[in-house]
Amino acid sequence: SAVISQKPSRDICQRGTSLTIQCQVDSQVTMMFWYRQQPGQSLTLIATANQGSEATYESGFVIDKFPISRPNLTFSTLTVSNMSPEDSSIYLCSVHNGGEQYFGPGTRLTVT
Amino acid sequence: DQQVKQNSPSLSVQEGRISILNCDYTNSMFDYFLWYKKYPAEGPTFLISISSIKDKNEDGRFTVFLNKSAKHLSLHIVPSQPGDSAVYFCAASRRGAGNNRKLIWGLGTSLAVNP
Repeated sequence: SAVISQKPSRDICQRGTSLTIQCQVDSQVTMMFWYRQQPGQSLTLIATANQGSEATYESGFVIDKFPISRPNLTFSTLTVSNMSPEDSSIYLCSVHNGGEQYFGPGTRLTVT
Repeated sequence: DQQVKQNSPSLSVQEGRISILNCDYTNSMFDYFLWYKKYPAEGPTFLISISSIKDKNEDGRFTVFLNKSAKHLSLHIVPSQPGDSAVYFCAASRRGAGNNRKLIWGLGTSLAVNP
């Protein structure tokens, strides 16, 4: 299994600002994933973060808007840049471990 | 284009009865299907999965059925308990480039089990 923690658990931010979300895993994993779940929508993969290389972004997501760091095998950050109300969402960190996918508790972001 | 569809946003059942949650998919290339459960303020947790080479997988009170010809799967919970009240997500995947698997998620079904 994998235990994942995220910080912050929630935040309310002003339009135009940026927020960095941290994800910590209790074991070393090669790939970490960042998802978001907008109100009334399904979970959507933003990007895959491999340690030591550039993150791979899904269609519709770009590095300038969602820069990701992956400094080691247990930690990653996702920054939501120049926020707008449309970025209000739950952001989830996830890892594959032992053939299963585990999720963090999520970060609930509200942009006003 | 929703490749994984959970057409019932909510379901209410009595404690002790069967809960049946349904999921339809459109991509015949999907070969692995998963169900996740999510409580409020928590991330989704893995519940049960099924490979496309099977049509049934059982784990305690939870059974997943897969009908490939209909591109349909269902999760049965018997007997349902109040602690099962949560949002249930169906997800599907196929092997991608580099042996990676990308999960495609449904919108979820909120299950309420009434005492």
